[in-house]
Amino acid sequence: GESVGLHLPTLSVQEGDNSIINCAYSNSASDYFIWYKQESGKGPQFIIDIRSNMDKRQGQRVTVLLNKTVKHLSLQIAATQPGDSAVYFCAEGSNTGNQFYFGTGTSLTVIP
Amino acid sequence: DVKVTQSSRYLVKRTGEKVFLECVQDMDHENMFWYRQDPGLGLRLIYFSYDVKMKEKGDIPEGYSVSREKKERFSLILESASTNQTSMYLCASSLYRFSNQPQHFGDGTRLSIL
Repeated sequence: GESVGLHLPTLSVQEGDNSIINCAYSNSASDYFIWYKQESGKGPQFIIDIRSNMDKRQGQRVTVLLNKTVKHLSLQIAATQPGDSAVYFCAEGSNTGNQFYFGTGTSLTVIP
Repeated sequence: DVKVTQSSRYLVKRTGEKVFLECVQDMDHENMFWYRQDPGLGLRLIYFSYDVKMKEKGDIPEGYSVSREKKERFSLILESASTNQTSMYLCASSLYRFSNQPQHFGDGTRLSIL
């Protein structure tokens, strides 16, 4: 199967600091990537996506960076807030496949 | 916004029972998925369906079956529940067949098999 992994299982940041969550993927054929946020007791929530023809994509306080050379994906959260505390995981897919492969997640804790 | 609704948030069943988990989406999506989520293992795909009455096995289909009689509804069936099926079950849907657009998730059913 595919391998989608995260470098760090837990991350603690001070409120107001920037957070960076990393993800490694293994399938060179993957061309679509998503970041999800999962709060306790809830299902995964879509945050942002990026296609392989892009290196960077920005949303509201979030930026995703894609480095296809080293098969690495990162999520940057600006001015992290307590409400950002959650598990974040990446997923990879393709325009020829019909299922995603998910990482196990990084738990982000924001310290007030 | 897409809404994926799972019928139960918590469910407790006994070993050997037949268990039904229901999922409904309201956005006319073609694709629907069932995952289980276990600590340290991430999301694992059980079954998916890209059309009414169609189903495809995912990575861990053993002990499960599915039913999709209507486009908006996708049911997961545990034919004879076992304790190793205690888990969080997540349903998801996506607009088209291929994995190049977002999947939208329900809030999950935490199933305990005693």
